[in-house]
Amino acid sequence: DAKTTQPTSMDCAEGRAANLPCNHSTISGNEYVYWYRQIHSQGPQYIIHGLKNNETNEMASLIITEDRKSSTLILPHATLRDTAVYYCIVRVARNTDKLIFGTGTRLQVFP
Amino acid sequence: ETGVTQSPTHLIKTRGQQVTLRCSSQSGHNTVSWYQQALGQGPQFIFQYYREEENGRGNFPPRFSGLQFPNYSSELNVNALELDDSALYLCASSLGLARSTDTQYFGPGTRLTVL
Repeated sequence: DAKTTQPTSMDCAEGRAANLPCNHSTISGNEYVYWYRQIHSQGPQYIIHGLKNNETNEMASLIITEDRKSSTLILPHATLRDTAVYYCIVRVARNTDKLIFGTGTRLQVFP
Repeated sequence: ETGVTQSPTHLIKTRGQQVTLRCSSQSGHNTVSWYQQALGQGPQFIFQYYREEENGRGNFPPRFSGLQFPNYSSELNVNALELDDSALYLCASSLGLARSTDTQYFGPGTRLTVL
C-alpha cells in the first residue's frame, strides 16, 4: 500500500501558485519524498525529490515539514499545461527500489 | 524528454494470446522497472531488472515475465492474456545505484487492450 495520503482533486487558476499537500506520517528517517506527475495517458514525469530540506528546481518547490510527516509541492505560476495527476511517493529504497504509487491528486488549472 | 522509449504505442490482443512489449532505457541506466496502470489507478510495480537479472517482483503471476539485454533494451512478456490485463504498461529506467536518490525516468507507455 502507498505510504502517502493526498487529496483526490484540486483546482487552481492559471498564473496562481498551486500548492499540493501530501501526508506521509509513517516515513522513515532515510526515505525520500518524490513527486511525479502524469498528464493524461502519458508516462509519469519526475518533478522533484527531497529528504528534509526544502528543494527547488525549474519546475517546482518542495516544502517538507520539520517532523517530515507531510510535504507540499508548489507550482509557483500554474499554467494550463500543468493540468495533470500529481503523485507523492515515499521512496522505499531496499533491495528492490520500486515506486509505490497511490491514486494521486488530480490538479485542474483553469483560465 | 526522458530518453526512454517504448514500443508499440498501442496494441490490441485477444484473450489467451501472448504479447511482448519493448522498452529502450537511457544509455548507462542499468536498472529497468515495469509498471502496470489500469484505468483510473496509479501505476503498480510488476518487476525490476538490474544488469539482466530480476531484482524484485510485485504481486503479479508468473505469466508476466521479463528480459533485460546488455544494450539497455528490455522486454515485458505476458502469456495467456486475460481481459484484466488491459492497461497502460510503463517502463522506467534508472542508474541502478540502489539508493533513494536514484531517480526513475518513465517512458510514454504501451496501451494494451485485450478483447
